[in-house]
Amino acid sequence: SQKIEQNSEALNIQEGKTATLTCNYTNYSPAYLQWYRQDPGRGPVFLLLIRENEKEKRKERLKVTFDTTLKQSLFHITASQPADSATYLCALDPWNTGFQKLVFGTGTRLLVSP
Amino acid sequence: EPEVTQTPSHQVTQMGQEVILRCVPISNHLYFYWYRQILGQKVEFLVSFYNNEISEKSEIFDDQFSVERPDGSNFTLKIRSTKLEDSAMYFCASSEALLAGGNNEQFFGPGTRLTVL
Repeated sequence: SQKIEQNSEALNIQEGKTATLTCNYTNYSPAYLQWYRQDPGRGPVFLLLIRENEKEKRKERLKVTFDTTLKQSLFHITASQPADSATYLCALDPWNTGFQKLVFGTGTRLLVSP
Repeated sequence: EPEVTQTPSHQVTQMGQEVILRCVPISNHLYFYWYRQILGQKVEFLVSFYNNEISEKSEIFDDQFSVERPDGSNFTLKIRSTKLEDSAMYFCASSEALLAGGNNEQFFGPGTRLTVL
């Protein structure tokens, strides 16, 4: 069956450290993968998109990698801050239809303590 | 910065009643979506809409659900006869025209919390 899996346990780290979140998928062949941030009671907010031909993408303190052989994406936040505390979701378009139906993972909650 | 807006923020209804959730997508966007998130669970796709018709829908989006773009700005989700299990946060999203071979980000609204009693 098709799955997108993210670590359901919260990740607790100290301010200033690098947070690394994992997204694994099975039985999909996505052309791209997206990462979103979701705060409690709010809608997801787009952070980064990485395509299958890109190994790595960066935006300020964020870095995403995409390994289509391992079927995995890693999301890194360097120099983390308490304001980075949120749930981070990975999402993909399962059939690359271009109509952008997104299938989301369950998300990983990140807690950054001062 | 332009944003997607949704009303109401919270809707309480009795089982069997009809509800209409409203969304105003970002004005130059052409693709519109509804997702839902049951408390503590993942965000689930319901339907996508382009050029005044449904592009894709999930198995959740059965005959009880319908979408409409009644004018140039609103995008609505109607649930004809609500069930207890329809209680969830409903998110509207929109995106710009697709680039060839690429995909654009989706902009999500703040959500409507639907509580069915």
